[in-house]
Amino acid sequence: SQQGEEDPQALSIQEGENATMNCSYKTSINNLQWYRQNSGRGLVHLILIRSNEREKHSGRLRVTLDTSKKSSSLLITASRAADTASYFCATDKKGGSEKLVFGKGTKLTVNP
Amino acid sequence: KAGVTQTPRYLIKTRGQQVTLSCSPISGHRSVSWYQQTPGQGLQFLFEYFSETQRNKGNFPGRFSGRQFSNSRSEMNVSTLELGDSALYLCASSLDRGGRYGYTFGSGTRLTVV
Repeated sequence: SQQGEEDPQALSIQEGENATMNCSYKTSINNLQWYRQNSGRGLVHLILIRSNEREKHSGRLRVTLDTSKKSSSLLITASRAADTASYFCATDKKGGSEKLVFGKGTKLTVNP
Repeated sequence: KAGVTQTPRYLIKTRGQQVTLSCSPISGHRSVSWYQQTPGQGLQFLFEYFSETQRNKGNFPGRFSGRQFSNSRSEMNVSTLELGDSALYLCASSLDRGGRYGYTFGSGTRLTVV
């Protein structure tokens, strides 16, 4: 079964607004990663947060991790039409086989 | 530096045929992982190769196989194609095993089985 589950499944906002996506997972992890996928293309690595970190920033992206709740959030500030894509969280399970397990993603649409 | 290259970009095959997909990782990356992406199941892990050895395998039938060459290039093969094998096949390379520090993905091969 999928390790990560994103919420919401779809999100539509206006340019300039902030977008928040959430990810929940089931087991202890080494790290959690967020990826973006433009329609039908490969995934692009956005940010990695380790299990001992609580928050991380990269440009307009802010990721938080709450290991007690087994959840993470990705915030995109001042969104642009070019941010329209699907966003996936991926987890590296602690003590598990070495592979990333992806959630089903949040489809973000930023309207100009 | 060149990214991950997957060939071909698109393929149309008939049920029962077999197909081989190719992936060239980023120079210096020794790990290549393969994922299948479908609208219904999302991204599903197929297998990972590291230093020419399969290190990890997902829950797919034996019709799905792969290999890695000494230059880290990888191929995956699907035999006796079924309609349900229609998907976007993504290859990801990483320096270490399992993408622990992040994967770099190729653009994928879109396979359609008719």
